[in-house]
Amino acid sequence: DIQMTQYPSSVSGSVGDRVTITCRASQGINNWLAWYQQKPGRAPRLLIYATSNLQSGVSSRFSGSGSGTEFTLTISSLQPEDFATYFCQQASSFPFTFGQGTRVDIK
Amino acid sequence: EVQLVASGGGLVQPGGSLRLSCAASGFIFTDHYMDWVRQAPGRGLEWVGRCRNKDASYTTEYAPSVRGRFIISRDDSKKSLFLEMNSLNTEDTAIYYCTRALPSTDWGQGTLVIVSS
Repeated sequence: DIQMTQYPSSVSGSVGDRVTITCRASQGINNWLAWYQQKPGRAPRLLIYATSNLQSGVSSRFSGSGSGTEFTLTISSLQPEDFATYFCQQASSFPFTFGQGTRVDIK
Repeated sequence: EVQLVASGGGLVQPGGSLRLSCAASGFIFTDHYMDWVRQAPGRGLEWVGRCRNKDASYTTEYAPSVRGRFIISRDDSKKSLFLEMNSLNTEDTAIYYCTRALPSTDWGQGTLVIVSS
């Protein structure tokens, strides 16, 4: 199974801050990497697919990059609605696996 | 509008069984592979498994943690996805979401399964 290691586990930020979250795969995943945002009591929301493709309707302050085994999600300027937990997910091979999550909260 | 409405959750004793359903609408169900994903309370996300469509012979994939205990199936005539869960243990306690094949924009609201004596 491919292990996804996501870090940091939590990050505190202020409105306007730039935040970067990293996900490392235990082996190459051919850029089949997605990012989700989840707020308490809600289902996850897809932000980015195939490493860097912004899902329709998602703000352009979210961006994804990476290759091989190292991938990042960047929020260019934190907004109040961005305080949430973020998960990466590999879709390269079964079983699909998620990172442990990164909680972004208010400093 | 895509809707995925999961149902069938509840309290079950360890060793018991439960069958979850997911009613789909707003898209051509037969075109899509479907997944189940679960989330234990306060924990991360875990992919449970996939059911492919008729074109792919309804083949399935499972996470190691549920393989041999859980069965995913679908009824295209009812636009429904199912998750039959057997030999349940406390580690299966979670919200169970049905989704279109990951990565997905479309998730149901989830149904809560509690395995406890």
